Amino acid sequence: GQQVMQIPQYQHVQEGEDFTTYCNSSTTLSNIQWYKQRPGGHPVFLIQLVKSGEVKKQKRLTFQFGEAKKNSSLHITATQTTDVGTYFCAGRSGGSNYKLTFGKGTLLTVNP
Amino acid sequence: NAGVTQTPKFQVLKTGQSMTLQCAQDMNHEYMSWYRQDPGMGLRLIHYSVGAGITDQGEVPNGYNVSRSTTEDFPLRLLSAAPSQTSVYFCASSYNDRALNSPLHFGNGTRLTVT
Repeated sequence: GQQVMQIPQYQHVQEGEDFTTYCNSSTTLSNIQWYKQRPGGHPVFLIQLVKSGEVKKQKRLTFQFGEAKKNSSLHITATQTTDVGTYFCAGRSGGSNYKLTFGKGTLLTVNP
Repeated sequence: NAGVTQTPKFQVLKTGQSMTLQCAQDMNHEYMSWYRQDPGMGLRLIHYSVGAGITDQGEVPNGYNVSRSTTEDFPLRLLSAAPSQTSVYFCASSYNDRALNSPLHFGNGTRLTVT
């Protein structure tokens, strides 16, 4: 079945440092979504990428979708303590469109 | 709008007991789903539904039943709880657009412990 791998599992940074999490799929994805879960909270939708090579920005966050639509990344510039949480990617492939498969997530902690 | 409402927030069961986790949404979403979250395992899909009367299995369906009699409600039933079902359960819903581009809206979760 479809697998979505996400690395790293954990990342600890000093406030102001950059952060990147990577997502790789075993199959070509129709789209990929990114979610953030604060400690003790529930996942909250951040963004969706649909087109090959697509790049989207949300303030300090930059999201990329690979040319082959099998990988994606989330980059945070100059992290802040408010960025703490677990970041998940989630993808759908053509053969299982209704099943959104999540990566295992990257837990980001920020030292002030 | 309340969004996605899950009850209860916390539950402790003994092995073999049964219970139902409730999920309701007021956004007229056709698609509803249940995920379980375990440390280091991410979110794993248990069951999903694309509309009233339609359900299907996800990645980890064993030990769980669902039904979808209305658009608003999607309960998850544990018929005979096992310690391996100790987890945090999230219900999530979205529009069922043809492009399947709609984001998931999650409930606040139910933390279940089976002893």
